[in-house]
Amino acid sequence: AQKITQTQPGMFVQEKEAVTLDCTYDTSDPSYGLFWYKQPSSGEMIFLIYQGSYDQQNATEGRYSLNFQKARKSANLVISASQLGDSAMYFCAMREGGYGNKLVFGAGTILRVKS
Amino acid sequence: EAQVTQNPRYLITVTGKKLTVTCSQNMNHEYMSWYRQDPGLGLRQIYYSMNVEVTDKGDVPEGYKVSRKEKRNFPLILESPSPNQTSLYFCASSILGTSFPYEQYFGPGTRLTVT
Repeated sequence: AQKITQTQPGMFVQEKEAVTLDCTYDTSDPSYGLFWYKQPSSGEMIFLIYQGSYDQQNATEGRYSLNFQKARKSANLVISASQLGDSAMYFCAMREGGYGNKLVFGAGTILRVKS
Repeated sequence: EAQVTQNPRYLITVTGKKLTVTCSQNMNHEYMSWYRQDPGLGLRQIYYSMNVEVTDKGDVPEGYKVSRKEKRNFPLILESPSPNQTSLYFCASSILGTSFPYEQYFGPGTRLTVT
């Protein structure tokens, strides 16, 4: 069963506007963590933001924020004031609780920022 | 500088010719892992290691081998590569624990083509 679902294969956004990238997840473990990574065309994986299942507030890191809706099992990434350099592939990933660090990834969303 | 290194970065080889992709980290991390990235599938875990001489299969281990003789190194071995192993490979490392978030640090990736 798909544990992480990213339903948007590709997105366009106008420079300086905000954009939301969707991510839904499936787990029965009460303890889990959700991660977003950015992959530019150069290929490296860049960690953006993290949200823990017990965190009371939505995570924020600069222009990135995570809209965490636990009951709906969604963890959408919001990028404010988009920049041309935000054009990249974005992956949502989940780590479930327990002793181990395995990340399960979604298929990714390609974001293109237009000038 | 804290980093995960992989070599080679690019490799074109032929079916059946054994190859090794090296991975090394300088952060004294216990946990190391290999992922492969394929279009539409995101990243999937191949093998992981929780410490020296402790390795285990991930979700897609067929056709791969690993070893962990030293804490810093975690090579990926393809004994008899086939075209379906053409992919982008990432090595990652992190602290091992039961608490979050323990961010995973990714290497720069190795693009492998098997003809």
